[in-house]
Amino acid sequence: GQNIDQPTEMTATEGAIVQINCTYQTSGFNGLFWYQQHAGEAPTFLSYNVLDGLEEKGRFSSFLSRSKGYSYLLLKELQMKDSASYLCAVWGNDYKLSFGAGTTVTVRA
Amino acid sequence: GAVVSQHPSRVICKSGTSVKIECRSLDFQATTMFWYRQFPKQSLMLMATSNEGSKATYEQGVEKDKFLINHASLTLSTLTVTSAHPEDSSFYICSASSPGAGNTEAFFGQGTRLTVV
Repeated sequence: GQNIDQPTEMTATEGAIVQINCTYQTSGFNGLFWYQQHAGEAPTFLSYNVLDGLEEKGRFSSFLSRSKGYSYLLLKELQMKDSASYLCAVWGNDYKLSFGAGTTVTVRA
Repeated sequence: GAVVSQHPSRVICKSGTSVKIECRSLDFQATTMFWYRQFPKQSLMLMATSNEGSKATYEQGVEKDKFLINHASLTLSTLTVTSAHPEDSSFYICSASSPGAGNTEAFFGQGTRLTVV
């Protein structure tokens, strides 16, 4: 079975940094994704990690440790538009994506 | 990036009727498409895996006779919710990928908000 855990909610101030942690226990591993999802919309791709280490892409960075079954998404210089749900998803066997419950990030002025 | 188009974006239907949702990959051939369902404030739950030219594989607890999936070509998969009931009201999302072709991303359609009244 798949078990993917991430915090339910986080709140931060505009301009600040927020780190969303994700731990996983899955059958098979072909990579870990982070998606952003605004209410009522489909998820949009943020990052993909398959090797250990940090991947930086503008204001967003994602880290992976396969031995620890752990990843985080780092959001820097937070903007109001970053208020959304952030989904951690693992690409397991047969390339099926298993999603965590999502972390709702609220950015306050 | 690749584009996946899902239609319709919203549909309201009467209880007992059937609804068809289409998922198209517009600029790549998708050997595999996935159908997800998302209830309010919950995560995406995989319903089934649709493979071109073969029967769909359903996740445990998903009724294959109620949620009919057809993947007739490399660019189109359809999900038909048969005899819909209010409890089927949800956000349905498809995704498409072509594993093995150097594609490390699953592309999502825009989603379909189904309301059964």
